[in-house]
Amino acid sequence: QLVLTQSPSASASLGASVKLTCTLSSGHSSYAIAWHQQQPEKGPRYLMKLNSDGSHSKGDGIPDRFSGSSSGAERYLTISSLQSEDEADYYCQTWGTGAWVFGGGTKLTVL
Amino acid sequence: EVQLVESGGGLVKPGGSLRLSCAASGFTFSSYSMNWVRQAPGKGLEWVSSISSSSSYIYYADSVKGRFTISRDNAKNSLYLQMNSLRAEDTAVYYCARDQSPTEDDAFDIWGQGTMVTVSS
Repeated sequence: QLVLTQSPSASASLGASVKLTCTLSSGHSSYAIAWHQQQPEKGPRYLMKLNSDGSHSKGDGIPDRFSGSSSGAERYLTISSLQSEDEADYYCQTWGTGAWVFGGGTKLTVL
Repeated sequence: EVQLVESGGGLVKPGGSLRLSCAASGFTFSSYSMNWVRQAPGKGLEWVSSISSSSSYIYYADSVKGRFTISRDNAKNSLYLQMNSLRAEDTAVYYCARDQSPTEDDAFDIWGQGTMVTVSS
């Protein structure tokens, strides 16, 4: 079964970097994922598509501070030079034949 | 500007029906698969349904199969979700979202602002 696992919360200081993790279920380590950001009281915003080899393509207007990387079944979103507006929920998404799956989301707090 | 605008949400009693709409603009709507995703209050994102560009392929989450029907009108650049036999657990913000690739299943790269559906007596 295709499942994505994310830690419920993360925190980092203003100006620092943070690395969020999304883990693919067993047998699905070759799958690409996408990262989405949801700021409070807003709809989701597409950040990037991240392939198993670590290559990624970002959405329009996404700052260079956002980058992605991969290792095995793990997919990472790194945000550098954290700003207050980065405080948001971050969701990973993947897809198979006839099904699209979201992780439970990580709530990022900027201290 | 590429845009998706949902409408049709509201308060409905358990067992009732509601039809959501999503108006697309700024891109060739007929070329892309489209999707509905929902978010219950305080919860995460849940994929609901997908429809291919020509309506040839339609998929539903198990939680809505047999109760919800997705459709589209490419001439009107519009996506729809007919929701029947609504339950309290269907209460959520409903988002429409575009599949990034015109040729294969892919990430959702454009999202609407959402429309709230509340199922309560």
